[in-house]
Amino acid sequence: EPEVTQTPSHQVTQMGQEVILRCVPISNHLYFYWYRQILGQKVEFLVSFYNNEISEKSEIFDDQFSVERPDGSNFTLKIRSTKLEDSAMYFCASSGPPGTGGEAFFGQGTRLTVV
Amino acid sequence: AQSVAQPEDQVNVAEGNPLTVKCTYSVSGNPYLFWYVQYPNRGLQFLLKYITGDNLVKGSYGFEAEFNKSQTSFHLKKPSALVSDSALYFCAVSLSGGYNKLIFGAGTRLAVHP
Repeated sequence: EPEVTQTPSHQVTQMGQEVILRCVPISNHLYFYWYRQILGQKVEFLVSFYNNEISEKSEIFDDQFSVERPDGSNFTLKIRSTKLEDSAMYFCASSGPPGTGGEAFFGQGTRLTVV
Repeated sequence: AQSVAQPEDQVNVAEGNPLTVKCTYSVSGNPYLFWYVQYPNRGLQFLLKYITGDNLVKGSYGFEAEFNKSQTSFHLKKPSALVSDSALYFCAVSLSGGYNKLIFGAGTRLAVHP
């Protein structure tokens, strides 16, 4: 069964450093998303991406964050100058073309720890 | 503003008994409603969705959910709980065809006791 894969599963970084979280969405999907879940809190939307551009972003997704689809398979989230409060589980998700149901399929997540 | 409420932090049920996990929503327009389950140290797994049609939708692992427009609710149910159903359950809503962002509830922890 196709699945969304994320790497790494766990990333520890020092405050102020840049990190890149990587995702391989399901191959025929067209819509891509990043969400985050701070420990013990709800899952929050960060950004959606369609047709090689951001379609929507939350107020969390400020200039510190960027997304990219550098090739036909990968979808990345870059966090510049990380802060302690960026520590969270980051989930990538993808959903298929219109007519396939609209549900998003999530990866296993990357646990980011900023120290 | 759109929102999803899961009024119970935790639901406890004995194995073999029916379970209900509650969800209510507040959106403008027609909602697309979803349930996801999260096992420890795992991602979110899609369980079921409501887009249109029958108010009772069936999903994975024997779960079902009932859409009630007048009460703006989408409660998750299962006739007979299993210990392996113990996990964190999230209700979510999306608009405009389901391809927009998901707005999640805070989650409900389901504990099924032998």
